[in-house]
Amino acid sequence: AQSVTQLDSQVPVFEEAPVELRCNYSSSVSVYLFWYVQYPNQGLQLLLKYLSGSTLVKGINGFEAEFNKSQTSFHLRKPSVHISDTAEYFCAVSRLNNAGNMLTFGGGTRLMVKP
Amino acid sequence: EADIYQTPRYLVIGTGKKITLECSQTMGHDKMYWYQQDPGMELHLIHYSYGVNSTEKGDLSSESTVSRIRTEHFPLTLESARPSHTSQYLCASSDAGTGAYEQYFGPGTRLTVT
Repeated sequence: AQSVTQLDSQVPVFEEAPVELRCNYSSSVSVYLFWYVQYPNQGLQLLLKYLSGSTLVKGINGFEAEFNKSQTSFHLRKPSVHISDTAEYFCAVSRLNNAGNMLTFGGGTRLMVKP
Repeated sequence: EADIYQTPRYLVIGTGKKITLECSQTMGHDKMYWYQQDPGMELHLIHYSYGVNSTEKGDLSSESTVSRIRTEHFPLTLESARPSHTSQYLCASSDAGTGAYEQYFGPGTRLTVT
């Protein structure tokens, strides 16, 4: 069985400061990893994904994440946040070779960017 | 850009009414999903479909039902709405052929049962 833990339910940060949103997963098999963003009253939008290859993944809106297999982590980072980054962020894991493309989501982290 | 649509976006309805939440995608994806999300909470998979005439229950038990008569359409029905059904419902789809595994989400339907 898989699980995804987002260690912080809320992260307040000032505008232009760096931010890291933490995600740990547990799985007995290789996985694919994703970060999604959800703005108020909207669906989820894919920020970035790790499938294979380089452990540092770059996504949209200046975000990046680093896959660490030994620590089973996939933390999301941005060097300088904007007010517009205020949203809910979800980490998700997909089972490898699962024809159903099933995703398991973490509980979400609310990023609150303050002026 | 993903093309997946949900209607209505917001619905307020009385207890006991039958409702259908619509979800359509124009990407030709075989796989479609319904998630339930309470405010500020994680997503829970309630239904999914591998293709036409295929439907399966998800991880979270739900009184809703789904159908998949056409590839592009995956409606969710509640025969008798109750206040406990108040939530946001998100539809998603994915393309098994690319191996990319990501899901594309619609904007959601926020349901309030009074």
